[in-house]
Amino acid sequence: DIQMTQSPSSLSASVGDRVTITCRASQSIYRYLNWYQQKPGKAPRLLIYAASSLQSGVPSRFSGSGSGTDFTLTISSLQSEDFATYHCQQSYSTPFTFGQGTKLEIK
Amino acid sequence: EVYLVESGGGLVKPGGSLRLSCAPSGFTFSTHTFNWVRQAPGKGLEWVSSITSSSAYIYYADSVKGRFTISRDNAKNSLYLQMNSLRAEDTAVYYCARVRSADGTPYDAFDIWGQGTMVTVSS
Repeated sequence: DIQMTQSPSSLSASVGDRVTITCRASQSIYRYLNWYQQKPGKAPRLLIYAASSLQSGVPSRFSGSGSGTDFTLTISSLQSEDFATYHCQQSYSTPFTFGQGTKLEIK
Repeated sequence: EVYLVESGGGLVKPGGSLRLSCAPSGFTFSTHTFNWVRQAPGKGLEWVSSITSSSAYIYYADSVKGRFTISRDNAKNSLYLQMNSLRAEDTAVYYCARVRSADGTPYDAFDIWGQGTMVTVSS
């Protein structure tokens, strides 16, 4: 199975900050990497697919990069509605594993 | 509007069974692969199972293989998860999720998620 490791596990930031979350795969997954946002009590929401493609309706302050084993999600200027948990996921091979999540909190 | 609605969750004793359902709205169900993903209380997301558009390919996580069965009925626009021999560690919110690509591939992101249905396994 492909292991997905996110860092950090939690992060405190302020509105307007630039934030980067990292996801590392235990083997190459090419660009089969997706990012989701999840708020408490809600289903995950797709933000980025195929490492860097912005899902329709997602604000352009979200961006993704990387290939192979190392990937990043960047939020260019945090807004209040961005405080949530972020999950990476590989869709290269089954089982489609997720990272452990990164909780983004208000400083 | 495009959405998914799960149903069928509840409280069940260890060793018992439940059948979850997922109904789509606002898109063509038969062309997409679907998945079940679960989230135990306070934990991360765990992929459970995947079924391609024509049911030709079905995949399971090792943790549920032999106990859970995914299926779909394209004529009824419905996705199912039959869960047998339930254990306490199966307690979670279960989400159905659509694969983004409409060409039937399972190797893509999950773009539409249901609201989730809670399954609690306890005596």
